[in-house]
Amino acid sequence: AQSVTQLDSQVPVFEEAPVELRCNYSSSVSVYLFWYVQYPNQGLQLLLKYLSGSTLVKGINGFEAEFNKSQTSFHLRKPSVHISDTAEYFCAVTDSGGYQKVTFGTGTKLQVIP
Amino acid sequence: GAVVSQHPSWVICKSGTSVKIECRSLDFQATTMFWYRQFPKQSLMLMATSNEGSKATYEQGVEKDKFLINHASLTLSTLTVTSAHPEDSSFYICSATHPGLWEQYFGPGTRLTVT
Repeated sequence: AQSVTQLDSQVPVFEEAPVELRCNYSSSVSVYLFWYVQYPNQGLQLLLKYLSGSTLVKGINGFEAEFNKSQTSFHLRKPSVHISDTAEYFCAVTDSGGYQKVTFGTGTKLQVIP
Repeated sequence: GAVVSQHPSWVICKSGTSVKIECRSLDFQATTMFWYRQFPKQSLMLMATSNEGSKATYEQGVEKDKFLINHASLTLSTLTVTSAHPEDSSFYICSATHPGLWEQYFGPGTRLTVT
């Protein structure tokens, strides 16, 4: 079984400032990792994913994340945030073995302050 | 590509009635669909995994007789909340997996309010 920890429930940040949303996972097997964004009353949209290869993954809307196996982390970063980035962000993990069941973290609310 | 739709987007029903929510993959065939429930300001909780042509696999604690899932075709899965009660009020989200891709595509969600 896997688990995902997002320690920060809310992250306020000023517009055009950098941001990092933290995600740590636990698993006894190899995993795939994802970051999703959810705007109010909407479904989830995939920001980026790590399956294999380069540990630095670039996604949509200027976001990137780095997979660190030794620290079991997959932190999400953006060098300069916009008001439109205000949303809920979910880190997720799935067993790379084949089942595709995804375990989500509890989410981090990113609040961009003008 | 890889668009998933849900219908309705919101529904209000009276306690004791049943509600059906549809989840469709619009431009791909989804062998597996997932149903999630999300309470306000909380994460998604997987309710069940639905495979076309077979019975759904429910997560522990989810009442299969209350939340009926039917995956009749490769593009349609339905969730029926039977004899709904106010505590069933929630945001229900479905997702579908594209064959060969390690990614779930999410529908826009259905807001259910039971009065």
